[in-house]
Amino acid sequence: EVQLVESGGGLVQPGGSLRLSCAASGFTFSDHFMDWVRQAPGKGLEWVGRIRSRPNIYGTDYAASVKGRFIISRDDSKNSLYLQMNRLRTEDTAVYYCARNGLHCKDSYCYLDDWGQGTLVTVSS
Amino acid sequence: DIQMTQSPSSLSASVGDRVTITCRASQKISNYVNWYQQKPGKVPKLLLYAASSLQSGVPSRFSGSGSETDFTLTITSLQPEDCGTYYCQQTYTTPYTFGQGTELEIK
Repeated sequence: EVQLVESGGGLVQPGGSLRLSCAASGFTFSDHFMDWVRQAPGKGLEWVGRIRSRPNIYGTDYAASVKGRFIISRDDSKNSLYLQMNRLRTEDTAVYYCARNGLHCKDSYCYLDDWGQGTLVTVSS
Repeated sequence: DIQMTQSPSSLSASVGDRVTITCRASQKISNYVNWYQQKPGKVPKLLLYAASSLQSGVPSRFSGSGSETDFTLTITSLQPEDCGTYYCQQTYTTPYTFGQGTELEIK
């Protein structure tokens, strides 16, 4: 069974930093591109970014709203995905989900076929 | 960035009804559209990918169509468990973007 478990959320002041983790199990983590998606309270889904797999040189892409402040990384030896969030703003307050892309994402269609339960990040003074 | 505009933003329908949700892309995106369902307090769930391919385990009353800029999600014979918010997403090019969501209420 695929499992994605996020951790690391909490309360942080504006301008601060936080590192989220996502522990993956039940599948070959290293084969999949992985994404972060967030959802502000009462709002819709917002794509944050993605990291490709090793054959794709762990390339990353980001939403404009987080580019230059957030960094996505992964450790395939630990089956883990990370989101380093710097210079946090109040508008970054959201539940952050890690999500797995289907295997076809490497050369065809990308879609998020499994999601974690999410971790809440609150940016407030 | 590609904008995805869903309509309606909310709707109310009865059990057994046929429901259609529309998603319009701000530029041509072939069929690189996914649809997700999010029930209240739950995690989003993939329903369809590549505009019309049904994800494994999803009931056949869900279907999708469209290409380039106009896409639809159709639910035939609406069931009580279909309440929730539905999102389209384009994966034609990064940054990937979601529609604003359509909240579906069962009368």
